[in-house]
Amino acid sequence: QKEVEQNSGPLSVPEGAIASLNCTYSDRGSQSFFWYRQYSGKSPELIMFIYSNGDKEDGRFTAQLNKASQYVSLLIRDSQPSDSATYLCAVNMGTSYDKVIFGPGTSLSVIP
Amino acid sequence: ETGVTQTPRHLVMGMTNKKSLKCEQHLGHNAMYWYKQSAKKPLELMFVYSLEERVENNSVPSRFSPECPNSSHLFLHLHTLQPEDSALYLCASSQERNNEFGKFFGPGTRLTVL
Repeated sequence: QKEVEQNSGPLSVPEGAIASLNCTYSDRGSQSFFWYRQYSGKSPELIMFIYSNGDKEDGRFTAQLNKASQYVSLLIRDSQPSDSATYLCAVNMGTSYDKVIFGPGTSLSVIP
Repeated sequence: ETGVTQTPRHLVMGMTNKKSLKCEQHLGHNAMYWYKQSAKKPLELMFVYSLEERVENNSVPSRFSPECPNSSHLFLHLHTLQPEDSALYLCASSQERNNEFGKFFGPGTRLTVL
């Protein structure tokens, strides 16, 4: 079983819609979770991190964490063409050391 | 441009060459990382440095040799590389090694090995 999995893309949504990106992870003891955005030809950019079960909102972005079900999701409200990018889920599976595993990414395309 | 810079941005080298990648972070972070990003594959962690001490080496071939002279600078020395080493090499830093606030990535060096 892969350690961090993301829903296969590409995902296409119309402008103004909600984009939903999902991520599951294998290590039940994982403590911290991150979402990165990577534009084509650019490096990853941290957009959200979450540690506790529930929702965390930041502007148009909402991260949702359910540790019991071992999934974390990212919702993008009022999607814009500028949101078109690959979204990487990263899970820190360590406690006293850095063992951050990245998922393969989901490509999102927002259609004007 | 972020608080993490990398040079060069593009590098083409032959299999017998020796070259070095440089990374500098201006964020006052204590941990620095080298990642490899190949097409269609997840980011692969190569090396972790915390307070200038190497704390992790993810089974990386010896043709890659990291160096961290201080907490702001990180190098990746390359020698006798293979064509399959062609990839985007990303440097990142984080406030602490436990990565509670995520990583900040540099723009990367696009490496092509002929």
